[in-house]
Amino acid sequence: GENVEQHPSTLSVQEGDSAVIKCTYSDSASNYFPWYKQELGKRPQLIIDIRSNVGEKKDQRIAVTLNKTAKHFSLHITETQPEDSAVYFCAASPPRGILQGGGADGLTFGKGTHLIIQP
Amino acid sequence: EAQVTQNPRYLITVTGKKLTVTCSQNMNHEYMSWYRQDPGLGLRQIYYSMNVEVTDKGDVPEGYKVSRKEKRNFPLILESPSPNQTSLYFCASSRDHAGEQYFGPGTRLTVT
Repeated sequence: GENVEQHPSTLSVQEGDSAVIKCTYSDSASNYFPWYKQELGKRPQLIIDIRSNVGEKKDQRIAVTLNKTAKHFSLHITETQPEDSAVYFCAASPPRGILQGGGADGLTFGKGTHLIIQP
Repeated sequence: EAQVTQNPRYLITVTGKKLTVTCSQNMNHEYMSWYRQDPGLGLRQIYYSMNVEVTDKGDVPEGYKVSRKEKRNFPLILESPSPNQTSLYFCASSRDHAGEQYFGPGTRLTVT
């Protein structure tokens, strides 16, 4: 099945600086790559996603880039603010029904990055 | 209001006592899944369902059961809970398997 590695596990940046979180995936058939933000004590919520037919997507201060050849994708947050402090999860998903021999036919998440914005 | 609900939100139980965590969504989503979240391990999929009466194992299905008799409900059943199932559990639904997942508020389970 799919395996998603996420780095770093903890990232501390000064308010106003940029933050970058990186993920790699193993299944070249994966074609959907979302990012979720989980604030302390809350449920994960989607902040941005990208499909394999594009290389970059932006939404105000956040952007995601995808390199299909290298099988990695990254989350970029610019002009960080205190409310950006949270745990961020990347995920990857293959097309429906593509997996053989068991394993989840859905999202596989990375282990998360705890982003700390220092005032 | 579009939402996913879970009950109970908190549960403390003893080893071996059967329990069910309910999950319900009002968005007419076909795809539903259960995850467990443990420190340092992220979100791991337990079971998922692509539609009524269609369920399949995720990455960590051992010790869990699910059913999908109605589109809106997807209960998680622990027939004989053990301490290693102490965790934070999230139910989620989406229009399909590769779309935005709407998570429930979570159920914190402690098995002693």
